[in-house]
Amino acid sequence: DQQVKQNSPSLSVQEGRISILNCDYTNSMFDYFLWYKKYPAEGPTFLISISSIKDKNEDGRFTVFLNKSAKHLSLHIVPSQPGDSAVYFCAAKQGNKLVFGAGTILRVKS
Amino acid sequence: DAGVTQSPTHLIKTRGQQVTLRCSPKSGHDTVSWYQQALGQGPQFIFQYYEEEERQRGNFPDRFSGHQFPNYSSELNVNALLLGDSALYLCASSLSGHTQYFGPGTRLTVL
Repeated sequence: DQQVKQNSPSLSVQEGRISILNCDYTNSMFDYFLWYKKYPAEGPTFLISISSIKDKNEDGRFTVFLNKSAKHLSLHIVPSQPGDSAVYFCAAKQGNKLVFGAGTILRVKS
Repeated sequence: DAGVTQSPTHLIKTRGQQVTLRCSPKSGHDTVSWYQQALGQGPQFIFQYYEEEERQRGNFPDRFSGHQFPNYSSELNVNALLLGDSALYLCASSLSGHTQYFGPGTRLTVL
C-alpha cells in the first residue's frame, strides 16, 4: 500500500527552464510534507517543507504547492541549474515517521 | 557544525550473521530515526528513538532492534541476516520531532 506516489521516474529539463516534480498521496491524515534531494553516495538533503494549513511555500528557487482536495503536491525549481540534477523524494509526516515516495530522477541539461 | 555521521560506510556480511550500524546525530538533536532504502525505492521507516526509548516502529520484524545512548547516538542491530536485508541504511536526526536530517548511510550487502 503505497501512500505516497511519485509517478514520474525521471524528468529531463533544459538549464534555465522550470522543473516541476509531482507527488500524490492517499492518506488525508497527512498534515506535513517535505521534499528531499539525494545525490549518489550521499544521504537525502532537506530542501523545503509545507504544512497542510498552507497551499504554498517558497525558498529561493524552490516553491512547493499543496492541493489538499486533490491530495497532490508539487515542487517547482526556477531556474533549473545543472547542479540540481539528483533524485528528488517527496515525503509525508505520519506521527514521528516519514513516508517516502519512490523518487524522481531530475536531469538538468546545460 | 558536524552533521549526522554514520559508520561504517560499507559492510559485507553473509546470511545468518548479525550486524551493528552506528549513528551520531547532528549537534543539538535528541531524536534518531532509522530507515532502510532498497534499490530504486524510497526510504522505509524502521524505528525512532527518543530519550533512549523506541518511540515508534515501522513494519519491520523483531530481527531489527536498536538502542539510543545518553549522548543521543544510536545503534541499529540486525540479527539472522537475509539476502533481502541488503540495502542502504539511513539514520536521521531531529530536535523533538521537527525536520529530520539524514546521514550519508551505510551500504549493507548480504551474500
